[in-house]
Amino acid sequence: GEDVEQSLFLSVREGDSSVINCTYTDSSSTYLYWYKQEPGAGLQLLTYIFSNMDMKQDQRLTVLLNKKDKHLSLRIADTQTGDSAIYFCAEGDRGSTLGRLYFGRGTQLTVWP
Amino acid sequence: DGGITQSPKYLFRKEGQNVTLSCEQNLNHDAMYWYRQDPGQGLRLIYYSQIVNDFQKGDIAEGYSVSREKKESFPLTVTSAQKNPTAFYLCASSIDAQTAEQYFGPGTRLTVT
Repeated sequence: GEDVEQSLFLSVREGDSSVINCTYTDSSSTYLYWYKQEPGAGLQLLTYIFSNMDMKQDQRLTVLLNKKDKHLSLRIADTQTGDSAIYFCAEGDRGSTLGRLYFGRGTQLTVWP
Repeated sequence: DGGITQSPKYLFRKEGQNVTLSCEQNLNHDAMYWYRQDPGQGLRLIYYSQIVNDFQKGDIAEGYSVSREKKESFPLTVTSAQKNPTAFYLCASSIDAQTAEQYFGPGTRLTVT
Protein backbone atom coordinates (compact mmCIF):
# COMPACT_ATOMS: atom_id res chain seq x y z
CA GLY A 1 0.00 0.00 0.00
CA GLU A 2 0.86 3.63 -0.20
CA ASP A 3 2.71 5.31 2.69
CA VAL A 4 1.57 8.65 4.02
CA GLU A 5 3.68 10.14 6.79
CA GLN A 6 2.88 12.95 9.20
CA SER A 7 4.42 14.22 12.39
CA LEU A 8 2.25 13.26 15.33
CA PHE A 9 2.08 16.46 17.39
CA LEU A 10 2.10 20.23 16.89
CA SER A 11 1.52 22.96 19.49
CA VAL A 12 0.97 26.64 18.69
CA ARG A 13 -0.25 29.77 20.45
CA GLU A 14 -3.61 31.24 19.59
CA GLY A 15 -3.25 33.78 16.79
CA ASP A 16 -0.09 32.20 15.36
CA SER A 17 0.01 30.26 12.10
CA SER A 18 0.10 26.46 12.15
CA VAL A 19 1.82 24.39 9.49
CA ILE A 20 1.10 20.67 9.31
CA ASN A 21 3.30 18.64 7.00
CA CYS A 22 2.76 15.39 5.15
CA THR A 23 4.80 13.24 2.78
CA TYR A 24 3.46 10.57 0.47
CA THR A 25 4.96 7.97 -1.80
CA ASP A 26 2.50 7.29 -4.62
CA SER A 27 3.41 9.46 -7.58
CA SER A 28 0.16 8.48 -9.34
CA SER A 29 -1.96 10.18 -6.69
CA THR A 30 -4.26 12.64 -8.39
CA TYR A 31 -5.88 14.16 -5.33
CA LEU A 32 -4.54 14.97 -1.88
CA TYR A 33 -6.84 15.70 1.02
CA TRP A 34 -6.86 17.22 4.47
CA TYR A 35 -9.40 16.00 7.00
CA LYS A 36 -10.05 17.29 10.52
CA GLN A 37 -11.19 15.10 13.41
CA GLU A 38 -12.43 16.57 16.66
CA PRO A 39 -12.46 14.37 19.79
CA GLY A 40 -14.88 11.47 19.53
CA ALA A 41 -16.16 12.56 16.13
CA GLY A 42 -15.92 11.50 12.52
CA LEU A 43 -13.63 13.07 9.93
CA GLN A 44 -14.55 16.35 8.30
CA LEU A 45 -13.23 17.07 4.81
CA LEU A 46 -11.39 20.40 5.06
CA THR A 47 -9.91 20.86 1.63
CA TYR A 48 -8.21 19.05 -1.20
CA ILE A 49 -5.80 19.82 -4.00
CA PHE A 50 -5.36 18.35 -7.45
CA SER A 51 -1.92 16.99 -8.24
CA ASN A 52 -1.52 19.49 -11.11
CA MET A 53 -1.78 22.43 -8.68
CA ASP A 54 0.93 23.93 -6.48
CA MET A 55 -1.25 25.87 -4.08
CA LYS A 56 -4.83 26.25 -3.01
CA GLN A 57 -6.20 28.86 -0.64
CA ASP A 58 -9.53 28.67 1.14
CA GLN A 59 -10.12 31.38 3.75
CA ARG A 60 -7.66 30.67 6.60
CA LEU A 61 -6.38 27.47 4.98
CA THR A 62 -3.53 27.30 2.49
CA VAL A 63 -2.44 24.01 0.96
CA LEU A 64 0.98 23.77 -0.68
CA LEU A 65 2.00 20.82 -2.85
CA ASN A 66 5.57 20.02 -3.88
CA LYS A 67 5.18 17.15 -6.33
CA LYS A 68 8.91 16.70 -6.81
CA ASP A 69 9.45 16.03 -3.12
CA LYS A 70 5.97 14.47 -2.63
CA HIS A 71 5.37 16.92 0.19
CA LEU A 72 2.04 18.43 1.17
CA SER A 73 1.42 21.05 3.82
CA LEU A 74 -1.59 22.68 5.42
CA ARG A 75 -1.20 26.17 6.82
CA ILE A 76 -3.84 27.53 9.16
CA ALA A 77 -3.63 31.29 9.58
CA ASP A 78 -4.65 32.99 12.86
CA THR A 79 -5.05 29.64 14.62
CA GLN A 80 -7.86 29.52 17.16
CA THR A 81 -8.51 27.19 20.09
CA GLY A 82 -11.36 25.72 18.07
CA ASP A 83 -8.78 24.49 15.57
CA SER A 84 -7.43 22.04 18.14
CA ALA A 85 -8.03 18.61 16.59
CA ILE A 86 -6.31 15.79 14.73
CA TYR A 87 -5.53 16.57 11.10
CA PHE A 88 -5.21 13.73 8.61
CA CYS A 89 -3.51 13.88 5.28
CA ALA A 90 -4.81 11.43 2.66
CA GLU A 91 -3.95 10.61 -0.91
CA GLY A 92 -6.31 9.22 -3.48
CA ASP A 93 -6.42 8.25 -7.11
CA ARG A 94 -9.63 9.37 -8.72
CA GLY A 95 -8.95 7.40 -11.84
CA SER A 96 -8.58 4.01 -10.21
CA THR A 97 -11.24 1.34 -10.13
CA LEU A 98 -11.81 2.13 -6.51
CA GLY A 99 -11.49 5.71 -5.28
CA ARG A 100 -9.83 4.59 -2.09
CA LEU A 101 -7.90 6.87 0.20
CA TYR A 102 -4.67 6.21 2.06
CA PHE A 103 -4.41 8.06 5.34
CA GLY A 104 -1.52 9.23 7.46
CA ARG A 105 -1.59 8.63 11.22
CA GLY A 106 -2.78 12.17 11.91
CA THR A 107 -1.22 15.24 13.52
CA GLN A 108 -2.61 16.30 16.88
CA LEU A 109 -2.77 20.12 16.84
CA THR A 110 -2.99 21.79 20.24
CA VAL A 111 -3.70 25.51 20.36
CA TRP A 112 -2.78 27.32 23.60
CA PRO A 113 -4.72 30.45 24.59
CA ASP B 1 -30.44 17.64 5.71
CA GLY B 2 -28.17 15.11 3.99
CA GLY B 3 -25.55 13.11 5.79
CA ILE B 4 -24.28 9.86 7.18
CA THR B 5 -25.56 8.47 10.45
CA GLN B 6 -24.00 5.77 12.58
CA SER B 7 -25.65 4.22 15.56
CA PRO B 8 -25.15 3.75 18.36
CA LYS B 9 -22.36 6.16 19.32
CA TYR B 10 -21.12 3.83 22.07
CA LEU B 11 -21.51 0.06 22.10
CA PHE B 12 -20.46 -2.45 24.73
CA ARG B 13 -20.33 -6.20 24.21
CA LYS B 14 -19.02 -9.27 25.92
CA GLU B 15 -16.28 -11.26 24.27
CA GLY B 16 -17.64 -14.01 22.06
CA GLN B 17 -20.73 -12.09 20.92
CA ASN B 18 -21.30 -10.83 17.41
CA VAL B 19 -22.32 -7.18 17.12
CA THR B 20 -23.68 -5.17 14.19
CA LEU B 21 -22.88 -1.49 13.64
CA SER B 22 -25.31 0.57 11.62
CA CYS B 23 -24.42 3.02 8.83
CA GLU B 24 -27.06 4.91 6.85
CA GLN B 25 -26.62 7.69 4.28
CA ASN B 26 -29.18 9.85 2.47
CA LEU B 27 -26.67 11.44 0.09
CA ASN B 28 -27.58 9.09 -2.76
CA HIS B 29 -23.96 7.94 -2.86
CA ASP B 30 -23.12 4.69 -4.63
CA ALA B 31 -19.95 3.81 -2.72
CA MET B 32 -19.64 3.13 1.01
CA TYR B 33 -16.70 2.23 3.22
CA TRP B 34 -15.91 0.95 6.70
CA TYR B 35 -12.75 1.96 8.53
CA ARG B 36 -11.26 1.08 11.84
CA GLN B 37 -9.33 3.65 13.88
CA ASP B 38 -7.09 2.77 16.81
CA PRO B 39 -5.41 5.39 19.06
CA GLY B 40 -2.50 7.08 17.33
CA GLN B 41 -3.19 5.25 14.09
CA GLY B 42 -4.50 6.27 10.74
CA LEU B 43 -7.64 4.75 9.30
CA ARG B 44 -7.54 1.17 8.07
CA LEU B 45 -10.02 -0.02 5.46
CA ILE B 46 -12.16 -3.00 6.50
CA TYR B 47 -14.69 -3.40 3.66
CA TYR B 48 -16.00 -1.30 0.84
CA SER B 49 -18.97 -1.43 -1.48
CA GLN B 50 -19.00 0.18 -4.91
CA ILE B 51 -22.66 -0.46 -5.58
CA VAL B 52 -25.71 -2.19 -4.13
CA ASN B 53 -25.38 -5.96 -3.69
CA ASP B 54 -21.62 -5.80 -4.15
CA PHE B 55 -18.78 -5.47 -1.65
CA GLN B 56 -15.08 -6.28 -1.38
CA LYS B 57 -12.59 -6.89 1.40
CA GLY B 58 -10.28 -4.09 2.41
CA ASP B 59 -6.95 -4.40 4.19
CA ILE B 60 -8.21 -5.86 7.48
CA ALA B 61 -11.42 -7.79 6.68
CA GLU B 62 -10.75 -10.84 8.86
CA GLY B 63 -13.33 -11.18 11.61
CA TYR B 64 -15.77 -8.77 9.97
CA SER B 65 -18.71 -9.13 7.60
CA VAL B 66 -20.93 -6.68 5.71
CA SER B 67 -24.02 -6.56 3.54
CA ARG B 68 -25.27 -4.01 1.02
CA GLU B 69 -28.90 -4.83 0.31
CA LYS B 70 -29.95 -1.18 0.01
CA LYS B 71 -28.11 1.80 -1.46
CA GLU B 72 -28.45 3.82 1.73
CA SER B 73 -27.37 1.15 4.21
CA PHE B 74 -24.07 -0.66 4.81
CA PRO B 75 -24.07 -2.48 8.17
CA LEU B 76 -20.89 -3.97 9.60
CA THR B 77 -20.90 -7.09 11.78
CA VAL B 78 -17.98 -7.60 14.12
CA THR B 79 -17.83 -11.33 14.70
CA SER B 80 -16.39 -13.29 17.61
CA ALA B 81 -13.53 -14.24 15.27
CA GLN B 82 -12.16 -10.68 15.38
CA LYS B 83 -9.29 -10.96 17.85
CA ASN B 84 -9.11 -7.35 18.97
CA PRO B 85 -12.48 -5.71 18.23
CA THR B 86 -12.31 -2.75 20.63
CA ALA B 87 -11.86 0.32 18.42
CA PHE B 88 -13.53 3.35 16.88
CA TYR B 89 -15.39 2.43 13.68
CA LEU B 90 -16.03 4.96 10.95
CA CYS B 91 -18.34 4.66 8.00
CA ALA B 92 -17.89 6.82 4.89
CA SER B 93 -19.47 7.27 1.49
CA SER B 94 -18.58 8.81 -1.84
CA ILE B 95 -20.61 9.71 -4.92
CA ASP B 96 -19.23 6.76 -6.82
CA ALA B 97 -16.34 4.34 -6.61
CA GLN B 98 -14.14 6.47 -8.86
CA THR B 99 -14.52 9.57 -6.70
CA ALA B 100 -12.01 9.69 -3.92
CA GLU B 101 -13.67 12.41 -1.81
CA GLN B 102 -15.25 10.56 1.07
CA TYR B 103 -17.66 11.90 3.65
CA PHE B 104 -17.68 10.40 7.10
CA GLY B 105 -20.23 9.55 9.72
CA PRO B 106 -19.74 10.41 13.41
CA GLY B 107 -18.37 6.96 14.30
CA THR B 108 -19.21 4.19 16.75
CA ARG B 109 -16.91 3.36 19.64
CA LEU B 110 -17.08 -0.37 20.33
CA THR B 111 -15.76 -1.78 23.58
CA VAL B 112 -15.56 -5.54 24.01
CA THR B 113 -14.73 -6.95 27.44
